[in-house]
Amino acid sequence: AQSVTQLGSHVSVSEGALVLLRCNYSSSVPPYLFWYVQYPNQGLQLLLKYTTGATLVKGINGFEAEFKKSETSFHLTKPSAHMSDAAEYFCAVSDSGGSYIPTFGRGTSLIVHP
Amino acid sequence: GAVVSQHPSRVICKSGTSVKIECRSLDFQATTMFWYRQFPKQSLMLMATSNEGSKATYEQGVEKDKFLINHASLTLSTLTVTSAHPEDSSFYICSASPGLGETQYFGPGTRLLVL
Repeated sequence: AQSVTQLGSHVSVSEGALVLLRCNYSSSVPPYLFWYVQYPNQGLQLLLKYTTGATLVKGINGFEAEFKKSETSFHLTKPSAHMSDAAEYFCAVSDSGGSYIPTFGRGTSLIVHP
Repeated sequence: GAVVSQHPSRVICKSGTSVKIECRSLDFQATTMFWYRQFPKQSLMLMATSNEGSKATYEQGVEKDKFLINHASLTLSTLTVTSAHPEDSSFYICSASPGLGETQYFGPGTRLLVL
């Protein structure tokens, strides 16, 4: 069984500030980890994913995330927020040894102030 | 990159009617497609996994006779909401995967409103 916890349903930052969205996971096998972004009334777009190899993963739009096994975390960061980053962000975990179907967190709404 | 489309993007129907939603993988063949339901301000809930040429696998609590899924080809899966009721109003999102263990690519979603 696997699960995802996203701390904070809302995160508010100023434009140009650091973005940090937290994700902790639980998995009985080595996980595959994902971050998706969802803009209003749209589907999900893959930002980045971790499967194996380098634990620091770089994605689109300047985002990156680091897989920390000891902390069971996969936090998403971006050095400088842009107004266009305002959206809903979902962390997801899938089972690397089984169905590969991801389990999603509840999502974090990123608000960017000018 | 891989593109998944959904049609229609928005549909309004009367209670008791059936609604069909199409999900297409435009530039790859999808052996597996997934159907999700998303309530406002909530996460995605997996409804069923659709495999080409075989019956869909439904998640616990999802009525298979209510939500009919057909995966007739490697690029098309359909979800039919039968005898829709207002509580079926939701955002339905499909995703497609080129193969087992591959990344899922999501469609833009279909907003269903049942009056």
